[in-house]
This record gives sequence, C-alpha cells and structure tokens, in this order.
Amino acid sequence: QKEVEQDPGPLSVPEGAIVSLNCTYSNSAFQYFMWYRQYSRKGPELLMYTYSSGNKEDGRFTAQVDKSSKYISLFIRDSQPSDSATYLCAMEGTGTASKLTFGTGTRLQVTL
Amino acid sequence: EAGVTQSPTHLIKTRGQQATLRCSPISGHTSVYWYQQALGLGLQFLLWYDEGEERNRGNFPPRFSGRQFPNYSSELNENALELEDSALYLCASNNYSQETQYFGPGTRLLVL
Repeated sequence: QKEVEQDPGPLSVPEGAIVSLNCTYSNSAFQYFMWYRQYSRKGPELLMYTYSSGNKEDGRFTAQVDKSSKYISLFIRDSQPSDSATYLCAMEGTGTASKLTFGTGTRLQVTL
Repeated sequence: EAGVTQSPTHLIKTRGQQATLRCSPISGHTSVYWYQQALGLGLQFLLWYDEGEERNRGNFPPRFSGRQFPNYSSELNENALELEDSALYLCASNNYSQETQYFGPGTRLLVL
C-alpha cells in the first residue's frame, strides 16, 4: 500500500463547476499538508499549505484536512479552463526525514 | 525574486552514459531537494542537501549521486544510465526549517 493515495483521474468538468480533489494517507506522522498545481511540462507550483486538521481558504481554493480519517481535500469553486492541470497532494511530518511524500496527481480538465 | 532554476531543460543520452543536471535555489534558501517524476509514477524523492551536506536520500541506487556547492547550488549526477531513467528531474529548495518546497521547471532526460 502506498503512503499516499490519489485518484489519477482524468477528471473532466464544465467551466463554473465545483471541483473536489482528494488524497488519503496512512502515515499518522504527517502534520503538514500541501497542494501543488503542475501544468504540462512545468514544475509543480505551491497552491495551498495547511498544518494539522482544519480548513484554509484562498480565493476560489479551499483546502481541508481531516487527520482522524487521514483524508485531505482541495475544493475549487467556479472552475476555469486555466485550472486545467495536474494537482498533486504532498505531506510531511516530524520524523519523516524532512522530505515531502507526494500523491501521484489527479489530472483535471475544465471544459468550456 | 528569481525562482529555482535548472539546466539544461532537455537532455538526451544513450544507455550507459553519464548525465549531470544542475540546480540553483531561490536566493537565501540553503536546502535543495531532487525528485524524479517518471510517467505514471508521481514524484519520487531522490536526494536532499543542506549546507553542503547530504541529509537524506530516497530509495535509489548509488549511481544516483550529487553535491551541493558553497553557493547552495547543486548537481545531480547519474552514472550508467538505463532506459527507465528517462523522466522529468525536478529540483526544489527551501530553508531548513520550512515545510513547503519551491520547485524549478525541471530537466527532461531521455535515455535512448
């Protein structure tokens, strides 16, 4: 079993839809949770960063962490064609040798 | 502020050859991380350097090595290249105490 599981998609939604992207994990040491966006042939770009459980909102993006269920989500409201990319979840925790563990990424396509 | 830079952008090698990839971190960052992103496998952690020393390495054979220079830039060296080494190699940087990492655009390596 992988430490971090993420549905690879592809996920196709119409413009304006609410998108929900999710990751589950098995390592209870993870405390820091991130979402990166990666456009084709580019490096990942940090979107959201949260510590421990709770919600964090930034514009159209909301990150949610439920440590009791080992489940994190990224919601995108009013999705735009420019949101079309691969979204990677990443996690890090004290005692995990200070490296990020990534999900495999979910490819999102927002259509006109 | 300039981001993480990597060179070259593309590299073509044949099996058995050696490759050298370079990374310059964001100004002020002391840690450099290397990741391999092969098709369908997500980001796999390779190496972490901080203040000129190797802090941790992922589950890769010894033919993957690197170093960090006094100006915090870094090199990744791959010896005896194999076909399955074809991937996007990403460099990221941060300060030692930060959890988030900031990525460069990557070097795309093709081994023929």
